[in-house]
Amino acid sequence: EDKVVQSPLSLVVHEGDTVTLNCSYEVTNFRSLLWYKQEKKAPTFLFMLTSSGIEKKSGRLSSILDKKELFSILNITATQTGDSAVYLCALMRSGTDKLIFGTGTRLQVFP
Amino acid sequence: DTEVTQTPKHLVMGMTNKKSLKCEQHMGHRAMYWYKQKAKKPPELMFVYSYEKLSINESVPSRFSPECPNSSLLNLHLHALQPEDSALYLCASSQDQTGRVDGYTFGSGTRLTVV
Repeated sequence: EDKVVQSPLSLVVHEGDTVTLNCSYEVTNFRSLLWYKQEKKAPTFLFMLTSSGIEKKSGRLSSILDKKELFSILNITATQTGDSAVYLCALMRSGTDKLIFGTGTRLQVFP
Repeated sequence: DTEVTQTPKHLVMGMTNKKSLKCEQHMGHRAMYWYKQKAKKPPELMFVYSYEKLSINESVPSRFSPECPNSSLLNLHLHALQPEDSALYLCASSQDQTGRVDGYTFGSGTRLTVV
């Protein structure tokens, strides 16, 4: 059975800290791994990773995928209070439209 | 236009009511989805439409009835819902069946309360 496990479940940090969120998975016919940020409503797309070892970067956020060890990490440097959200990792298999989500990591950044 | 628009944003309905949720995108995406999200849980897939045809139904009860009138519109018709159906209903779209290029784009959701 396909599985996506995120850790930690929650994280509390102060502004300026760097955080690393983890996502490990088990899936047949891996196609891609996606990261989303969810505040109050819609998940906002962050990154889509399909190739191992390639870092995707956007400002203070970056992510990398290790297809051999079956995990991905999401890094946020110099955190700000606006980074407070639930970060969701989702898996997509080849030949399917379905996203399989992990339970998310709830990040709280305090001033 | 890079958005998925959902209406209404909030809906309160009785168990005997009939209502519809609407979703619209003008990105030319060929696949559209309904997800259901309960509090503090990740989204769960309900339906997938690809090229205006229903391609996946995740064993959703028949009180939920999807409809795709054209490639830009997706509806979810609701009838005789139960209080446990209260949730955030998210619509999403992607480029094609395998969600290439930019992954999925989600709408802001409809928060449904069944009383």
